[in-house]
Amino acid sequence: QVQLQESGPGLVKPSETLSLTCTVSGGSMNTYYWSWIRQPPGKGLEWIGHIYYSGSTNYNSSLKSRVTISVDTSKNQVSLKLSSMTAADTAVYYCVRRVSYSYHMDVWGQGTTVTVSS
Amino acid sequence: QSVLTQPPSVSGAPGQRVTIPCTGSNSNLGAGYDAHWYQQLPGTAPKLLIYGNNNRPSGVPDRFSGSKSGTSASLAISGLQVEDEADYYCQSFDSGRDVFGAGTKVTVL
Repeated sequence: QVQLQESGPGLVKPSETLSLTCTVSGGSMNTYYWSWIRQPPGKGLEWIGHIYYSGSTNYNSSLKSRVTISVDTSKNQVSLKLSSMTAADTAVYYCVRRVSYSYHMDVWGQGTTVTVSS
Repeated sequence: QSVLTQPPSVSGAPGQRVTIPCTGSNSNLGAGYDAHWYQQLPGTAPKLLIYGNNNRPSGVPDRFSGSKSGTSASLAISGLQVEDEADYYCQSFDSGRDVFGAGTKVTVL
C-alpha cells in the first residue's frame, strides 16, 4: 500500500520561498508522475504541476515562474518549491501519485496546511 | 473560471439517485481525454472514486458510477446514503495540464 507524507513549514512569511517534501513509502516511484495539488480554504482543487519519475516536469502556467518540482528516486522523495509567497498561496498542499496512461490521481497524501503571514 | 463546469450543489433524500454533470470542451473531454472523479469528505484529502470515465477502484461501492459522452461526463450516485455527503470533483487533461471542476457539494436531505 503506497503512502505519501508531506512535510514542511506550516507558516511562511510573505515574499519567502515555500519548500515542501513528499516522502513515498510502500512502493516504487517508477513509471508514475508525482503531482502537487493545492486547495485554498473553502475553495476547490488547483493543479500546481507534476514531475515524471525520470525528471521531466510540467507546471501550471499561472504559477510557472515561481514553481520548481524535483524528484530524488534514491530517497523516494518529491519536492516543491514556490517562491515569492503571498497570502493568496495560503492553502492545503497535497502530494499525489498520477497514473501515466490515463492521468488519474490514485494516491493522495493527507495534505499539509501552509499559511502565509508575517 | 474552471475549465470543467460542475453545479455548485446537488441534493437528494436517502435512497434516491443523484447525478453530477461535468461539462468540458473540445480541448479536454471532447478531445478524448478521460474523466475522473474524486470524493472529498469534510476535513480529509480527496479520494479517487471513478477513473477512466467509468471504472471504480477496489473498495468503491457500485452505487457510484460514471459515464462520458462527447464533451460531458457525469457521476451518478444511486441509493444515496448519509455518508455520501461530501464534495465531488471531476478532473481531466487539457492543453498539457491537469484540470479540475470547481466541485459539487452533495447534501443528503
